[in-house]
Amino acid sequence: DADVTQTPRNRITKTGKRIMLECSQTKGHDRMYWYRQDPGLGLRLIYYSFDVKDINKGEISDGYSVSRQAQAKFSLSLESAIPNQTALYFCATSEGQGANQPQHFGDGTRLSIL
Amino acid sequence: DQQVKQNSPSLSVQEGRISILNCDYTNSMFDYFLWYKKYPAEGPTFLISISSIKDKNEDGRFTVFLNKSAKHLSLHIVPSQPGDSAVYFCAAYVSGTYKYIFGTGTRLKVLA
Repeated sequence: DADVTQTPRNRITKTGKRIMLECSQTKGHDRMYWYRQDPGLGLRLIYYSFDVKDINKGEISDGYSVSRQAQAKFSLSLESAIPNQTALYFCATSEGQGANQPQHFGDGTRLSIL
Repeated sequence: DQQVKQNSPSLSVQEGRISILNCDYTNSMFDYFLWYKKYPAEGPTFLISISSIKDKNEDGRFTVFLNKSAKHLSLHIVPSQPGDSAVYFCAAYVSGTYKYIFGTGTRLKVLA
């Protein structure tokens, strides 16, 4: 079983719809992250959370919100989806920060907004 | 402002030869550098890392070199194998900032 599970794996929706991407982990890590990947831009951080009560904006948080329901669950929401939010989204976890504590990624959610 | 740059979007290498993937950075405050490998339809997986106080780290076929004066990082894969064909991302972070800065990735193709 995957340590970091993202659902759904693929989603096609229309402009203006509310979308929720879910992430759950069995690694027992406190830190969780949401990234998006766009062609030619690498991975960019949307939000990160160090525990259930600690949520922080990343470099591109506009248009997104998150919820940390439990240590193991971190959801990303698009309240009113727009076409330029079409991207590949990754959830990641880490035990801490350091060269020996890298991030562990889920397999991604491919989101298309028409 | 791209603080971590991978200027080669793709690279092809013959099986058994050396693959060299490069990464340049602009922020001299970065403490750690990491390389991730990504296969299609999967998330990135950690490969190897290096602290800014070192200039080399080796793990099996993979070696990362850090040249702080040039703000340059490279990953060497020797010998290259077809299973190494993937997209490679370099990443960096400053302790206390709690975020990793990723490069744009280099697609490596190892030809059998």
